[in-house]
Amino acid sequence: EAGVTQFPSHSVIEKGQTVTLRCDPISGHDNLYWYRRVMGKEIKFLLHFVKESKQDESGMPNNRFLAERTGGTYSTLKVQPAELEDSGVYFCASSQVRYNEQFFGPGTRLTVL
Amino acid sequence: ILNVEQSPQSLHVQEGDSTNFTCSFPSSNFYALHWYRWETAKSPEALFVMTLNGDEKKKGRISATLNTKEGYSYLYIKGSQPEDSATYLCAFDPYGQNFVFGPGTRLSVLP
Repeated sequence: EAGVTQFPSHSVIEKGQTVTLRCDPISGHDNLYWYRRVMGKEIKFLLHFVKESKQDESGMPNNRFLAERTGGTYSTLKVQPAELEDSGVYFCASSQVRYNEQFFGPGTRLTVL
Repeated sequence: ILNVEQSPQSLHVQEGDSTNFTCSFPSSNFYALHWYRWETAKSPEALFVMTLNGDEKKKGRISATLNTKEGYSYLYIKGSQPEDSATYLCAFDPYGQNFVFGPGTRLSVLP
């Protein structure tokens, strides 16, 4: 069974540019979560999808971040425009049962110059 | 704002040593506590999901205990091996909603 995959693995962009991160959850997992870890700090929750609906987006830092999950399969996280403080590792996770064991992807390392 | 702490921040041990780390969390509400093992550039790997006070779980040389009344969980590694080198993360779930991660304990096992 394939795990959670994320694309790209690395992204380097300049301040003000737009970047879109993609997450493909484990097949059949309705729950999809986005997290990020900035500058060696704790991994922090961003938002949670159940199928295509946003269940909880309380962790989204501001309106420069837009997450979508069309069709309830893969999800994208767009940062527009990117700022220096957005640099970090963005993780995606999925679970079959809400808030049960979550399976993580390898993350996308975003560097904003 | 919920605060989850982990200690020590980093740890260096010799191959064959046994070691343990601590995860501390607020004891007022509890739903679950998760332990993950994370090697940089790889996916965090789930080790244990702990839900009941007094839980003890074991997977090979790694085990974990849980005390929800006092708000801590211990992770033990017996006979550390170089391949155990990683960052060990705990994630606290107080309400069955969001995970709150600790900062992690970085373990280095020297051959």
